[in-house]
Amino acid sequence: QSVLTQPPSASGTPGQRVTISCSGSSSNIGSNSVNWYQQLPGMAPKVVIHSNNQRPSGVPDRFSASKSGTSASLAISGIQSDDEADFYCSSWDISLNGWVFGGGTKLTVL
Amino acid sequence: QVQLQESGPGLVKPSETMSLTCSVSGGSMNGYFWGWVRQPAGQGLEWIGRISSSGTTYYNPSLKSRVTVSVDTSKSQFSLKLSSVTAADTAIYFCVRGDYDVGGRNWFDPWGQGTLVTVSS
Repeated sequence: QSVLTQPPSASGTPGQRVTISCSGSSSNIGSNSVNWYQQLPGMAPKVVIHSNNQRPSGVPDRFSASKSGTSASLAISGIQSDDEADFYCSSWDISLNGWVFGGGTKLTVL
Repeated sequence: QVQLQESGPGLVKPSETMSLTCSVSGGSMNGYFWGWVRQPAGQGLEWIGRISSSGTTYYNPSLKSRVTVSVDTSKSQFSLKLSSVTAADTAIYFCVRGDYDVGGRNWFDPWGQGTLVTVSS
C-alpha cells in the first residue's frame, strides 16, 4: 500500500491529452513539492517534472504538472507511442521523515 | 554529466548482509545528497535511504533497523548495506543523486541503471 495514491493505469490514442493524478496528505504533498518520474520498459526511472511543475532540460513541453492542496497531477499532451511507460509521483513526507512514492501508473498508448 | 553505476553481488543468502556500491563519475559529490531506491519485480518504487556528502543520513522507517548508507567522497562512491535479508528484499536496487533548486526542493536525478539483487539459498 503506497503512501501516495495513483490510478494503476491510464490510456489514450496518439495525439490525445492524458492526465495522471496523485493523491497524498498534509504530511507529504500538502507540505512539500511533488516530483514525477517516467520509467520506460526495462529502464531506470528518470525525472520528467520536479518541484511541482518544473521540466528538466530535454523533457518535451508536452509534459506539464500541477499541485493543489494534497493532490497533484501530471498531464501529457499529444501522446506518442514512445510515451508508454510507468509514471510515479513522489514527495517528502514530514511524518515519516522520508521520501514516499505513488504506486505507479502504467500509460498505454492505444 | 554525472553518471552513477551500481556494483555488488547479484545473489545473497537469506539472513546475510547485502552490500552495494555506487560509483559516481562526471561530477563532484559535494553539496548533494545520495541515496538508494529499490523496485521488486513488477512492483513500484521504494525509497531506502539517503546520505548527504557530509554524512547526515535518513532512512525509510520500515527498513531503518537493517540499513546503513555511507559515503566516501575521496573515492567518489557511496554504499548500501542491508542486513538480515529475506526473499522480500529481492529487487532491482537503484542509486540516485539528490538534486536541488534554490528553494531547497529536492528530486532524484540522475539514477543508476540498477542492479538486481536476489536473495536465495
